[in-house]
Amino acid sequence: SQQGEEDPQALSIQEGENATMNCSYKTSINNLQWYRQNSGRGLVHLILIRSNEREKHSGRLRVTLDTSKKSSSLLITASRAADTASYFCATDGNDYKLSFGAGTTVTVRA
Amino acid sequence: DTGVSQNPRHKITKRGQNVTFRCDPISEHNRLYWYRQTLGQGPEFLTYFQNEAQLEKSRLLSDRFSAERPKGSFSTLEIQRTEQGDSAMYLCASSPGGGLAKNIQYFGAGTRLSVL
Repeated sequence: SQQGEEDPQALSIQEGENATMNCSYKTSINNLQWYRQNSGRGLVHLILIRSNEREKHSGRLRVTLDTSKKSSSLLITASRAADTASYFCATDGNDYKLSFGAGTTVTVRA
Repeated sequence: DTGVSQNPRHKITKRGQNVTFRCDPISEHNRLYWYRQTLGQGPEFLTYFQNEAQLEKSRLLSDRFSAERPKGSFSTLEIQRTEQGDSAMYLCASSPGGGLAKNIQYFGAGTRLSVL
């Protein structure tokens, strides 16, 4: 079963705008990660935030984590057409396996 | 290219046939994972190996599924007596056993299985 849920399921924005998506999860975690998947391809790791961290940045990406609410958000600033993809949050516990949500599909219009 | 390699990329089979997929992980990674992804969903964990030892299997992995990782290098996932419900993308990932990146998984492009 899926560990978490992403919200919204789909997002359509204009190039240059920001995209925000949220993830909620159910059980305690060691880390929360975000991955990107282009259509029909494998997943690419974007960013990892540890359970004792609240915010992390990587280039145009900003991730927040609120363990009290069991939720995380991913912000992509100044979006580009190449950002069009599905984005998944994934949690890992002590056993390293990842539990994914159902994903947010982002479409960036030129 | 030293990424994770999966073969074949696509497999079409008839119900009841057996299929086998192969995954070649990044060479220095000792952990290898298999996931299954259906349309519109996130990947679901199937099983993982540390070196040649299979450490965990999901309840999703029925007795028709078997995975091996001989010598701790490449891995194979076999599905016997395929059913239409087995149609999905099968993803393989690998990760290093330690270090700062130990929790990050590197995915292959997947094998898309269609059971007719």
